[in-house]
Amino acid sequence: DADVTQTPRNRITKTGKRIMLECSQTKGHDRMYWYRQDPGLGLRLIYYSFDVKDINKGEISDGYSVSRQAQAKFSLSLESAIPNQTALYFCATMRSGTYNEQFFGPGTRLTVL
Amino acid sequence: QQQVKQSPQSLIVQKGGISIINCAYENTAFDYFPWYQQFPGKGPALLIAIRPDVSEKKEGRFTISFNKSAKQFSLHIMDSQPGDSATYFCAASMRFPGGNQFYFGTGTSLTVIP
Repeated sequence: DADVTQTPRNRITKTGKRIMLECSQTKGHDRMYWYRQDPGLGLRLIYYSFDVKDINKGEISDGYSVSRQAQAKFSLSLESAIPNQTALYFCATMRSGTYNEQFFGPGTRLTVL
Repeated sequence: QQQVKQSPQSLIVQKGGISIINCAYENTAFDYFPWYQQFPGKGPALLIAIRPDVSEKKEGRFTISFNKSAKQFSLHIMDSQPGDSATYFCAASMRFPGGNQFYFGTGTSLTVIP
């Protein structure tokens, strides 16, 4: 099921580099989210967008920025990567309305050396 | 500060046994409590969810028990199977103008021994 895709799936980069993680969805959902997953810390919200013109900070937005290029595309950027941004990053989508399911992409494993 | 506290961090259960994972929250604005299941190399996927107006929800071998006064909820997996071995996350959602925001627990790694 490739309804939510993330590219790249794996990335190794160096401290100080700018990197962009991309998310695309074919589900037609208007809400999109970026999370990072760290062992022992679970999933933490970085940014979320309820429609193309709406961008909101989550719990841990420092050091990250996002762009919602279209309803189907939501990109996460690390302007100057640092080692503690090494993590597994997930994009999720959700249809508008209450009590709906979030659909997650397969994740991007990012390593910052 | 962790909005949703989850325990245990890891759990080993014999095949056929009952797996129990617990979560607690403080914010009474939460109004939707999903559980997600994650297999290695995959994104989390919704397993079962409950709203606070009911005390229990059952879907097959999976049951959520919800205690609104104690602000606690738990996942029970009956007749646990090796294929249930995965990481489980509880979550809580609250509504904002225009949408919902989700807060996740720290996850429980479940291993079911054949």
